[in-house]
Amino acid sequence: EDQVTQSPEALRLQEGESSSLNCSYTVSGLRGLFWYRQDPGKGPEFLFTLYSAGEEKEKERLKATLTKKESFLHITAPKPEDSATYLCAVQAGQYGNKLVFGAGTILRVKS
Amino acid sequence: GAVVSQHPSWVICKSGTSVKIECRSLDFQATTMFWYRQFPKQSLMLMATSNEGSKATYEQGVEKDKFLINHASLTLSTLTVTSAHPEDSSFYICSARTGKSNSPLHFGNGTRLTVT
Repeated sequence: EDQVTQSPEALRLQEGESSSLNCSYTVSGLRGLFWYRQDPGKGPEFLFTLYSAGEEKEKERLKATLTKKESFLHITAPKPEDSATYLCAVQAGQYGNKLVFGAGTILRVKS
Repeated sequence: GAVVSQHPSWVICKSGTSVKIECRSLDFQATTMFWYRQFPKQSLMLMATSNEGSKATYEQGVEKDKFLINHASLTLSTLTVTSAHPEDSSFYICSARTGKSNSPLHFGNGTRLTVT
């Protein structure tokens, strides 16, 4: 069974304090790993897709990386507006069509 | 960019009544849409895959007679919660892809259902 585990469950940072969120996964035949941001009461907002080990994607203060077992979302010099829940999801299997989500990391950035 | 619109954003209903939630793809056609459910402080759980012109595929443990899904066009899928009970209170979110089968899902803003 495909599994996705995110850590830590919650993270508090001071503005400007860089850190990383982890997403470890066990799947059969990874087709894609996805990072989303979710604000309270809203649907998830797409951030990145990673398809193969070694791949990296960057957007503003965020950088996502992928290995064969895990993915990291690095946040550089975060700002209060980066506060949100960050979700990791995987799509697996030759004909797999659905995403399996991790429980998420709640990020709070204080000014 | 791709936009998925969901309506209503919140609804309160009495126990025993039915509630319909609409999910529309505004600037693209979606042959497949996905319905997720999210409990407070928990992650998204896939309920069912909605297929245009055919029956939905339900995940294990999801009652298909309780959660009726209709995907009548390439831009509209509906989820009807029938005979709602307080335990059905949750956040329901729909999603769709604009491209290939391993392209990202784009999500609506969700519907908060409260059953009293």
